[in-house]
Amino acid sequence: SAVISQKPSRDICQRGTSLTIQCQVDSQVTMMFWYRQQPGQSLTLIATANQGSEATYESGFVIDKFPISRPNLTFSTLTVSNMSPEDSSIYLCSVGQGANQPQHFGDGTRLSIL
Amino acid sequence: GDSVTQMEGPVTLSEEAFLTINCTYTATGYPSLFWYVQYPGEGLQLLLKATKADDKGSNKGFEATYRKETTSFHLEKGSVQVSDSAVYFCALIKGAQKLVFGQGTRLTINP
Repeated sequence: SAVISQKPSRDICQRGTSLTIQCQVDSQVTMMFWYRQQPGQSLTLIATANQGSEATYESGFVIDKFPISRPNLTFSTLTVSNMSPEDSSIYLCSVGQGANQPQHFGDGTRLSIL
Repeated sequence: GDSVTQMEGPVTLSEEAFLTINCTYTATGYPSLFWYVQYPGEGLQLLLKATKADDKGSNKGFEATYRKETTSFHLEKGSVQVSDSAVYFCALIKGAQKLVFGQGTRLTINP
């Protein structure tokens, strides 16, 4: 399966600032996804990162707050903008392997907002 | 819409005990079913999968059977170890649609 590297692995940020999270895959993949995992909770899909077009956002998530880039088939970034303590979560990227196949996840970025 | 329901946690067992974590799903059509595991401080790892009815997924001593008649995919292990302490997520996917997760079950194994 694909090897997925996320950076940074963790960060502590001040409220009102923005942080960009990088996701690098060791092979070309069509589908890349970004998830949020709030403390003690399950995963919630933020958006699907589409190569060559705008990301597709889930209900409750907007581009102004979570802008996503997907410049090629091996890389994507998620920015968490104008952060508040409520944004303290683990952010994970994943890649899809095709229809009816599991997604594979990076190790996540643990974000704390002070 | 499609959904996954896991048994309430947390679950605490002694080493070498038998483990069952219940998972049921609601979905039209024929989803694929997965169990993921999240060890402390790490991301999600795929533990096992089943893509059609009556398939049994297995890995690291864990097993789960895709039961379409009961819409279930219960996770079992005959003898748990301290190193199995983690959060376990049941999930489904249909075609190219999004992955749907259960709420997760935290498992703690005491020596």
